[in-house]
Amino acid sequence: NAGVTQTPKFRVLKTGQSMTLLCAQDMNHEYMYWYRQDPGMGLRLIHYSVGEGTTAKGEVPDGYNVSRLKKQNFLLGLESAAPSQTSVYFCASSYSAGKPYEQYFGPGTRLTVT
Amino acid sequence: GENVEQHPSTLSVQEGDSAVIKCTYSDSASNYFPWYKQELGKRPQLIIDIRSNVGEKKDQRIAVTLNKTAKHFSLHITETQPEDSAVYFCAASEWGSRLTFGEGTQLTVNP
Repeated sequence: NAGVTQTPKFRVLKTGQSMTLLCAQDMNHEYMYWYRQDPGMGLRLIHYSVGEGTTAKGEVPDGYNVSRLKKQNFLLGLESAAPSQTSVYFCASSYSAGKPYEQYFGPGTRLTVT
Repeated sequence: GENVEQHPSTLSVQEGDSAVIKCTYSDSASNYFPWYKQELGKRPQLIIDIRSNVGEKKDQRIAVTLNKTAKHFSLHITETQPEDSAVYFCAASEWGSRLTFGEGTQLTVNP
């Protein structure tokens, strides 16, 4: 049982490049989330999904797109990276029978945009 | 939307002392309040949570209190140890989705 995993762990992009971050969970969770963490600002919700095939905007969605084609995977895309998107990105999942509220986080992806 | 404020931003205590971190929230519909601990370079990990139908919850050296009327909740750590040193985040949500986090408290426990 790996829990929540994220790939890649690190990435450096040039301004204007695109990339996709992959989140996978093996806990059969219904809900999945993408957060970004910047120094001194806590974690901010980018997008989230309450089930396969659904997505919704969070607090800071601009410049990002997401897809949830399979229940266990949640993808975060950056179409044209900007230096302001330099951050640590965390994926999380939640909602299963018995533990509906607890969010479990992945190890994070450190992204630098130059 | 929900807004969560957390204080203090840094807290330094001597080993064995108690530490208290306080958070306030704005949305009266919020009913779930977790606390996460994040060590340097690691993922946030849930250490304790409380739902709005209780006023206090305790787990060994850690306790959380909730005042729904005043819209604030607090984390209490007793008998602090050096391994308690980390960043602590509070959060609030309605029914566990869409967590809104505070900005974090850097706790340092000095031996």
